[in-house]
Amino acid sequence: GENVEQHPSTLSVQEGDSAVIKCTYSDSASNYFPWYKQELGKRPQLIIDIRSNVGEKKDQRIAVTLNKTAKHFSLHITETQPEDSAVYFCAARGGGADGLTFGKGTHLIIQP
Amino acid sequence: DGGITQSPKYLFRKEGQNVTLSCEQNLNHDAMYWYRQDPGQGLRLIYYSQIVNDFQKGDIAEGYSVSREKKESFPLTVTSAQKNPTAFYLCASSIGSGTGRSNQPQHFGDGTRLSIL
Repeated sequence: GENVEQHPSTLSVQEGDSAVIKCTYSDSASNYFPWYKQELGKRPQLIIDIRSNVGEKKDQRIAVTLNKTAKHFSLHITETQPEDSAVYFCAARGGGADGLTFGKGTHLIIQP
Repeated sequence: DGGITQSPKYLFRKEGQNVTLSCEQNLNHDAMYWYRQDPGQGLRLIYYSQIVNDFQKGDIAEGYSVSREKKESFPLTVTSAQKNPTAFYLCASSIGSGTGRSNQPQHFGDGTRLSIL
């Protein structure tokens, strides 16, 4: 089955700086890669996703890049703000599967 | 998302007891999923259903059961065979699976927090 590794587990950045979270996956047939933001005690919310036929996708301050050859994808948040503080999860949909395999999460802390 | 309702928000289970978590959606989605989240961990797939009257085991199905008698509903039963049920349970849905529809976003309900008495 699919295995997703996520790094770092905790990331602290100054407000206004950029944050990068990286994930690797094991199943070369995986074709869908969403990112979720989860605030304490709440549901995960989809913030951006990318499909395997695209190398990069951007939505305002958030961007995701995908390297299929290396089997890794990354989340980039620019001009970080206090409300960006949360736990971020990457996920992958493995070839032939329907559910998502999640990374263990990155706790992003925005320092004022 | 407002279209996925999970209940109850908190649930307590006694030893040897089965408990059922409710998940209802009014999004007309074909596919529904159950995930378990332990503290400081990512989500793990328990069961999923692509269509009414059909469901498949996920990565950690042991000790759980589901049914999908209606498109809108996908209840999860935590049986007494699940020895460590304390966790945050999240239900999700997506438009569907199959050719051309498989890579659609999954959206989550607010979750049910289950604890052992």
